[in-house]
Amino acid sequence: DTGVSQDPRHKITKRGQNVTFRCDPISEHNRLYWYRQTLGQGPEFLTYFQNEAQLEKSRLLSDRFSAERPKGSFSTLEIQRTEQGDSAMYLCASSSPFPGEGQETQYFGPGTRLLVL
Amino acid sequence: AQKVTQAQTEISVVEKEDVTLDCVYETRDTTYYLFWYKQPPSGELVFLIRRNSFDEQNEISGRYSWNFQKSTSSFNFTITASQVVDSAVYFCALSERNSGYSTLTFGKGTMLLVSP
Repeated sequence: DTGVSQDPRHKITKRGQNVTFRCDPISEHNRLYWYRQTLGQGPEFLTYFQNEAQLEKSRLLSDRFSAERPKGSFSTLEIQRTEQGDSAMYLCASSSPFPGEGQETQYFGPGTRLLVL
Repeated sequence: AQKVTQAQTEISVVEKEDVTLDCVYETRDTTYYLFWYKQPPSGELVFLIRRNSFDEQNEISGRYSWNFQKSTSSFNFTITASQVVDSAVYFCALSERNSGYSTLTFGKGTMLLVSP
């Protein structure tokens, strides 16, 4: 069983450019999460999908950020007009649909490291 | 609001020493889950353990052991006979339930450096 995958692993962009990241969750995991991690900090929740529905967005997710999960499988996170403060690691996680502990345990991908110059 | 505190920013030990990573949490929920994740230099968060709030039994897995005490709101992690490969940042996390789903609140992490 393959784990969560993310693409690209690294992205360097200039301020003002748009970037898009992709996350492929563990197959059959219907729950998908995006987190952001800045240097020296723990990951912070950005948004959550159950199947294709985006059910929660953090206040950290400004209007320049948009996430989609069109067919309930992979997800994309787009940042428009990037700013230097967007430089961070963007982590994706997924969890299973089974009630109880299965739903609670999130498995993370390797992350996408974004540097905005 | 939920909160996880990892007071130890960085710990350095010599190989074969035992080391304990502290985690203190705050929550108003009566049902919750606690987690430990390992983040090696490659960046991927690796799941280590999950513990629900009704299960205060300590757990041992090889060189790893966890001590959960609801009375002190702590969930500490001990590595016995540390190895260089244990060098990583370790995060404690608390699940927060929101109408049928959970998001994780992480501590700031403890960087563990094990030298030969």
